Amino acid sequence: DTEVTQTPKHLVMGMTNKKSLKCEQHMGHRAMYWYKQKAKKPPELMFVYSYEKLSINESVPSRFSPECPNSSLLNLHLHALQPEDSALYLCASSQEWTGGAITYEQYFGPGTRLTVT
Amino acid sequence: GQNIDQPTEMTATEGAIVQINCTYQTSGFNGLFWYQQHAGEAPTFLSYNVLDGLEEKGRFSSFLSRSKGYSYLLLKELQMKDSASYLCAVRGGMDSNYQLIWGAGTKLIIKP
Repeated sequence: DTEVTQTPKHLVMGMTNKKSLKCEQHMGHRAMYWYKQKAKKPPELMFVYSYEKLSINESVPSRFSPECPNSSLLNLHLHALQPEDSALYLCASSQEWTGGAITYEQYFGPGTRLTVT
Repeated sequence: GQNIDQPTEMTATEGAIVQINCTYQTSGFNGLFWYQQHAGEAPTFLSYNVLDGLEEKGRFSSFLSRSKGYSYLLLKELQMKDSASYLCAVRGGMDSNYQLIWGAGTKLIIKP
């Protein structure tokens, strides 16, 4: 099973709503990532979790709050978003995230298309 | 600074060969990835190079020259389903927290 699943596929929310994006993998990967991707742009890294601990926060606004309940699950809690936050949100996982020479490919989920109205 | 350059768009004919180039300037280097992304879908991993030379995987090959800061992705026997964006990404060094630095992607259009 080399699949990363994400729910929901599409989400429309108002600026005062609170919603959550969910991501799951069963490959035994110990690193999980959230990316944001705007149309015709490359993915932008938001957060990295390694062994269920937040390792990287790329100066993401606090209206985005990540959570890693266990090694297979990654959530992104959304609150008081702005229209410019509308994008494709991608979850990815890799075997490990290391600060050394070993590099592992990332497997991406299908993404959640978020529209903020 | 960190910079990755790829052509914005390329067009090729079904059955032909196309080479997509990527040049990079990064403060560290821990490998280069190529990903394929169809419109509205997630990126899928194609190849990884960390040493100089050519890596071949079926119809796709990827080449790396670290001294030149250069890579290319070679696609042979093009099929219509190869129409997609191809993203080059470099894993940086300690300065960038070993993160992936992404190019903007090359949109490949395959014509019959």
